[in-house]
Amino acid sequence: DVKVTQSSRYLVKRTGEKVFLECVQDMDHENMFWYRQDPGLGLRLIYFSYDVKMKEKGDIPEGYSVSREKKERFSLILESASTNQTSMYLCASQSGTGDEQYFGPGTRLTVT
Amino acid sequence: DQQVKQNSPSLSVQEGRISILNCDYTNSMFDYFLWYKKYPAEGPTFLISISSIKDKNEDGRFTVFLNKSAKHLSLHIVPSQPGDSAVYFCAASGGGSYIPTFGRGTSLIVHP
Repeated sequence: DVKVTQSSRYLVKRTGEKVFLECVQDMDHENMFWYRQDPGLGLRLIYFSYDVKMKEKGDIPEGYSVSREKKERFSLILESASTNQTSMYLCASQSGTGDEQYFGPGTRLTVT
Repeated sequence: DQQVKQNSPSLSVQEGRISILNCDYTNSMFDYFLWYKKYPAEGPTFLISISSIKDKNEDGRFTVFLNKSAKHLSLHIVPSQPGDSAVYFCAASGGGSYIPTFGRGTSLIVHP
């Protein structure tokens, strides 16, 4: 059974803190993604990666960075958390042929 | 500007009846379409897909119809069950890109 795991289900951080969200997939997928989901706005792409050490900006990269040192792991970093980054963060992986994505369970991040 | 639109934020249906969720797209380069289902506090899961060479794809109770000339697709669930209550996201990709563009989702409630 394919699996995408995220390091935390719920996280509460203070404004200005550095936040690390980790995602691991066990499907040997080339492509990995970070989204945020907000009510009424659907899924918005923050960053994606199509190979180790490769990354591309999505639609809303401001305030975020990513790291992909190993194929199975894709990290999202909030350099200095702000209250408008309170959201549900979803990681996904996808094979290189571009079929369906597999999503992790999500991390509900609250920044106070 | 939204390239994938789900104009109904919510839909309410009686158990046993048909649920029809609609999705419109504007980018004529899109050639692969997917539906995902999302329960609260979980990541989206892939439901069904269709490529532009087809106009219908069926999987059990779920059928997706594609009308390329109208740039419209729909997901039919027959018969609807209370367990189908979830948010449904339409997504589209194409033009040489494997990265899907998501709609904002439709919340389906199936009443017993």
